[in-house]
Amino acid sequence: QSALTQPASVSGSPGQSITISCTGTSSDVGSYNLVSWYQQHPGKAPKLMIYEASKRPSGVSDRFSGSKSGTTASLTISGLQAEDEADYYCCSYAGSSTLVFGGGTRLTVL
Amino acid sequence: EVELVESGGGLVQPGGSLRLSCAASGFTFNSYSMTWVRQAPGKGLERVSYISSTRSTIYYADSVRGRFTISRDNAKNSLYLQMDSLRAEDTAVYYCARGLLGYGLYYFDYWGQGTLVTVSS
Repeated sequence: QSALTQPASVSGSPGQSITISCTGTSSDVGSYNLVSWYQQHPGKAPKLMIYEASKRPSGVSDRFSGSKSGTTASLTISGLQAEDEADYYCCSYAGSSTLVFGGGTRLTVL
Repeated sequence: EVELVESGGGLVQPGGSLRLSCAASGFTFNSYSMTWVRQAPGKGLERVSYISSTRSTIYYADSVRGRFTISRDNAKNSLYLQMDSLRAEDTAVYYCARGLLGYGLYYFDYWGQGTLVTVSS
C-alpha cells in the first residue's frame, strides 16, 4: 500500500489556526475510522495527538482536533503556539492488519 | 510513570544481525500489546512488527517478514526484536511503542526514545 499524502509543510502565526490534510484511498482512510495523528519534535519520539479520527488522548490540548471526510483526514490546530512547531504524521489502518503512515508535515510557527 | 527504554542498536555490516530490547516500566506490561516502529534518517514512520499482550498474535511489515522476529517476556517486562540478514535500507531509529488499550493494533500511546541501527560496510 502507498503512503498517505500530506503536504510537506504548513505554516502559521501564533494565535492562528492551521489544518493539515491527509489523503488516502478507499482502501484505508476511506474504509476505516482508524486514523491517528502523531506529533514529533526534532530528535524526540512521536506523541499520539488524535486517534479514531477525532478523539484526543488524555492530556492532549483541546486546541488539537481531528476530522475525516471520505478519503481525507484532517488535523486542525487552533490558537497556534510556538511549541506546536513540529512534524506531524497521520496514520490509517489499511486492512489485513496493516498500517500506513503519511509522509509527514513540517509545521512552522512564524 | 510509563517508561520504555530501548537498547541494542549500533553499527552492523550488511547481512549481519542485531537484537533490540525494550525495557518497560510503570504499567502492567502483560496487559498491553507492543509494537516496533522505525524511522529512517529524515524519513517517515513505518510499523515494523506487532505483538499482542499474550504473544498469540504477531504481525510483520512485508519489508522485514522472514528476517525479523518479535518476541516478549512478560515476566521481565521486556520486548525484543531479533533482526537478521540486515540490509542498508534497515538503517533507522527503532522505537518500541505501547498499544493504546483496546486499540493496540492501530494506535500507540507511549514511545521509547529510540535506538539507532546503522547497516553499513
